[in-house]
Amino acid sequence: DTAVSQTPKYLVTQMGNDKSIKCEQNLGHDTMYWYKQDSKKFLKIMFSYNNKELIINETVPNRFSPKSPDKAHLNLHINSLELGDSAVYFCASSRSGISYEQYFGPGTRLTVT
Amino acid sequence: DQQVKQNSPSLSVQEGRISILNCDYTNSMFDYFLWYKKYPAEGPTFLISISSIKDKNEDGRFTVFLNKSAKHLSLHIVPSQPGDSAVYFCAALGAGGTSYGKLTFGQGTILTVHP
Repeated sequence: DTAVSQTPKYLVTQMGNDKSIKCEQNLGHDTMYWYKQDSKKFLKIMFSYNNKELIINETVPNRFSPKSPDKAHLNLHINSLELGDSAVYFCASSRSGISYEQYFGPGTRLTVT
Repeated sequence: DQQVKQNSPSLSVQEGRISILNCDYTNSMFDYFLWYKKYPAEGPTFLISISSIKDKNEDGRFTVFLNKSAKHLSLHIVPSQPGDSAVYFCAALGAGGTSYGKLTFGQGTILTVHP
């Protein structure tokens, strides 16, 4: 029983396409996050939702749009994919008030050709 | 402008010896410092944390030391085991300003423990 799951695990697509990555957590957490790990291996926060409300919105292109249908899900939709979007995307969750202890999903490796 | 840095991309240690992983930061507004461990094809896993008001936290074989004046923290693993081989990320939680509530990660250090 996976705590934080992401689908798909791998995603290969062409420039200009629109794609979504799904994330689900079964830990009962009320805060969820999206991170991007770039080619230099830095993990950078993109978005955070608390109880379905957006609380962190880093400077990312507005082609990236997170959606949280409920506390257990946080999906990431990306429009008009570009080569520079190629990266590993991690979803994570945490309890409110203990946001340093985050539980990560296995990652989605996105390759844009 | 990377606020959390791990200057050693890799570290190789013999089983049973001590592993010391280092991390430097520049932002004085960090509230907590953490270490995460990552195996290939998995997400990072929380390992240990330390509050900015402490200088040491120990959990079994893992000890984190914080030197606020030097803006430096380190993770000691003793004794090191082959199963500790992984990528270790240092991270810091912002306490105010634009970093509030955000985890900022270093770029990771690959630890290899040889049997």
